[in-house]
Amino acid sequence: ILNVEQSPQSLHVQEGDSTNFTCSFPSSNFYALHWYRWETAKSPEALFVMTLNGDEKKKGRISATLNTKEGYSYLYIKGSQPEDSATYLCAFPLNNAGNMLTFGGGTRLMVKP
Amino acid sequence: DAGITQSPRHKVTETGTPVTLRCHQTENHRYMYWYRQDPGHGLRLIHYSYGVKDTDKGEVSDGYSVSRSKTEDFLLTLESATSSQTSVYFCAISVHRASYNEQFFGPGTRLTVL
Repeated sequence: ILNVEQSPQSLHVQEGDSTNFTCSFPSSNFYALHWYRWETAKSPEALFVMTLNGDEKKKGRISATLNTKEGYSYLYIKGSQPEDSATYLCAFPLNNAGNMLTFGGGTRLMVKP
Repeated sequence: DAGITQSPRHKVTETGTPVTLRCHQTENHRYMYWYRQDPGHGLRLIHYSYGVKDTDKGEVSDGYSVSRSKTEDFLLTLESATSSQTSVYFCAISVHRASYNEQFFGPGTRLTVL
């Protein structure tokens, strides 16, 4: 089982603040890195799949960067809104087929109005 | 939602009883997965299937069995439920993209074992 670590475990910010959190993964044998957004009482929704070192993906106010050599990815949220409150999960494939994912513990973001 | 449904959506049962959860997909995907939600662990893989009658264990398979007799259905069985199996269970399927595989999740089943 590969170690995928996320930090911090939880984060409280005020509406309008920008924030970021980290996913660390094994830097050897990189295949892809997945980010999911998981709202309470719902199922996880795919945000980004990152496959290349130096990749940067953006969706609205949310963006992510990837450093495969040092084994980390950052997720940034600009101008947080209460609707951004969710748990953000990253996941790392266990093999090059990419059919098996191991998930980090998640970062729970709470945005106060 | 990738055509994934789970049933039941909620279940309360007693310790020692068998429980079966069903995952149904409508898009003929080969890979299907069962995860459980654990605080601090995100999602942990219980079992997965790579085809009809082809299944394998995941990280937390003890106390669980699975079956896949047809492509569209993947069943998770708790042979004798315990309180530690109280959790939310998610089914997922894998979709092949150009250079990676992407997983999509069902709506979840909340199981409470008293």
